[in-house]
Amino acid sequence: GAGVSQSPSNKVTEKGKDVELRCDPISGHTALYWYRQSLGQGLEFLIYFQGNSAPDKSGLPSDRFSAERTGGSVSTLTIQRTQQEDSAVYLCASSPFRWRGRSGANVLTFGAGSRLTVL
Amino acid sequence: TQLLEQSPQFLSIQEGENLTVYCNSSSVFSSLQWYRQEPGEGPVLLVTVVTGGEVKKLKRLTFQFGDARKDSSLHITAAQPGDTGLYLCAVTQGGSEKLVFGKGTKLTVNP
Repeated sequence: GAGVSQSPSNKVTEKGKDVELRCDPISGHTALYWYRQSLGQGLEFLIYFQGNSAPDKSGLPSDRFSAERTGGSVSTLTIQRTQQEDSAVYLCASSPFRWRGRSGANVLTFGAGSRLTVL
Repeated sequence: TQLLEQSPQFLSIQEGENLTVYCNSSSVFSSLQWYRQEPGEGPVLLVTVVTGGEVKKLKRLTFQFGDARKDSSLHITAAQPGDTGLYLCAVTQGGSEKLVFGKGTKLTVNP
């Protein structure tokens, strides 16, 4: 697609319920990232995929959080037994495989995010 | 402790004023990026700086990477309401693939 697509854009759920957030990266981008942004905060890294594998999942806050990626494309972030502190905007980004630009830095394209509110 | 410290946290100015925001660290980086995030959107890359002392200009925005590659500044000349947003700096740690962000400077430019 033309950009990174995330769904749903807004999700309101009750404490204790499970939620799934979806990310559709730019076609051909093999790297995919999930970040969380709480009110007034910067972006908190959650997990990174290269293809279907996740070399770095160090940012997942607890075992209630999991993510998978299938076919080297779509990724799903699942939060089980949601808590109020899980309320945040969940952002997905993708990047071409090992293309770091001339600078050697990752070049990420972000989606608009999924806003999760846990009541 | 935060890897990247951004200041000020909030800045509200009138259209036409100049401003500078900062991104500081005690660590040395091979490169540093600046992003702008508007409400309801994801961050968008503005620039990547690589060389110590490097200055890059993007229209009214001037980015500088410190000589020691530990800090960076963003200067906006004659700010406009369209410059309103959250300005984030970000770095890649060592050989890691993940991008680490500062908490950002929230800029409001009033007409």
